[in-house]
Amino acid sequence: ETGVTQSPTHLIKTRGQQVTLRCSSQSGHNTVSWYQQALGQGPQFIFQYYREEENGRGNFPPRFSGLQFPNYSSELNVNALELDDSALYLCASSLDFGGNTEAFFGQGTRLTVV
Amino acid sequence: GIQVEQSPPDLILQEGANSTLRCNFSDSVNNLQWFHQNPWGQLINLFYIPSGTKQNGRLSATTVATERYSLLYISSSQTTDSGVYFCAVAYSGAGSYQLTFGKGTKLSVIP
Repeated sequence: ETGVTQSPTHLIKTRGQQVTLRCSSQSGHNTVSWYQQALGQGPQFIFQYYREEENGRGNFPPRFSGLQFPNYSSELNVNALELDDSALYLCASSLDFGGNTEAFFGQGTRLTVV
Repeated sequence: GIQVEQSPPDLILQEGANSTLRCNFSDSVNNLQWFHQNPWGQLINLFYIPSGTKQNGRLSATTVATERYSLLYISSSQTTDSGVYFCAVAYSGAGSYQLTFGKGTKLSVIP
């Protein structure tokens, strides 16, 4: 059984640029959620995708967008990067939508905006 | 939204000691998970425990959903237990898509 994998592991971008982060869900999982973790804080929910549709969204601006593909892998896109977007971005996959099934996380992508 | 409070925020233990970490939440939940975040940032699943008691080796957890708290017990701590422990919940109300995390307990186990 393949776990959740994310790429890249580290990334440095300049303010104003755009970035795409990628996530492969665990085998058999149809739901992917994205979280942002600032230094010293707990992860914050960005959005969730279920069967290629956005299924819920946290308190993040529209410049945070995503996609889910037919194989249930997912992308997180961030436009017009700001310094405060520097964080660890975590992807989680689960068997079903909503919050009531066990979530499994990838190793994260550490984004630095300079 | 639901509030999640973890205590203590920091904990320093001598190797071999036992500890209890607490998670309080403000509303009914249909999911509660405990995670250990390693130094590289990955969240390792410890327990999926919306109610009841589970044990896995030196670790055990209890969730009392009616009283809105969960406890994580670590016995005979080892230096490899060091890291940040997070409790995360999904509340059972409408729009319950996400896990809401506490701020974590940072555990340091010294030899």
